[in-house]
Amino acid sequence: DTGVSQDPRHKITKRGQNVTFRCDPISEHNRLYWYRQTLGQGPEFLTYFQNEAQLEKSRLLSDRFSAERPKGSFSTLEIQRTEQGDSAMYLCASTLSLAGSYNEQFFGPGTRLTVL
Amino acid sequence: DAKTTQPPSMDCAEGRAANLPCNHSTISGNEYVYWYRQIHSQGPQYIIHGLKNNETNEMASLIITEDRKSSTLILPHATLRDTAVYYCIVTSGGYQKVTFGIGTKLQVIP
Repeated sequence: DTGVSQDPRHKITKRGQNVTFRCDPISEHNRLYWYRQTLGQGPEFLTYFQNEAQLEKSRLLSDRFSAERPKGSFSTLEIQRTEQGDSAMYLCASTLSLAGSYNEQFFGPGTRLTVL
Repeated sequence: DAKTTQPPSMDCAEGRAANLPCNHSTISGNEYVYWYRQIHSQGPQYIIHGLKNNETNEMASLIITEDRKSSTLILPHATLRDTAVYYCIVTSGGYQKVTFGIGTKLQVIP
């Protein structure tokens, strides 16, 4: 257990439905990342937050995707009008970022999304 | 961030040392080498990192060549629980966006 939790662990939905995932990072961590991982591939960066500010979004993050981190604590990732191609593992990671340094990311267990 | 190249798969006998190579020939002077591993159905787990000196912790050793264009992760006594996908990444910090690639799938054989 890394201290990063994600909910739900598994989600099955029908195409066209909206889904929301939650990530609770390690409490003192100021950076939070979302990744998507499909079978046989490494995690692909989606977006990240520095405290409550969303600082970068990947081009993988279409208009149907939105992420928030209110108050710089937990984060949510919402997918609207899901498509079968959205089926993947969605991973959250957090880290304590100090100026100019990279610290290891602590990953949650992931949310596995299946779109039927 | 520099790109890395790893073999897609490797086997290692249980109890033997597992040596996982990584090429990062375009690494720049301020980029660190990080290793993570991902056990099936879990999130990636940090293992070790280094800049130019060799590093060792309770999990593994990291050997970085003098020109820093390649590195080797060493698991000194591999166990079945070390079966996982191992990712080598390089990053300079800043906004810390990292690219994982497909990694090396290490199979530890009894």
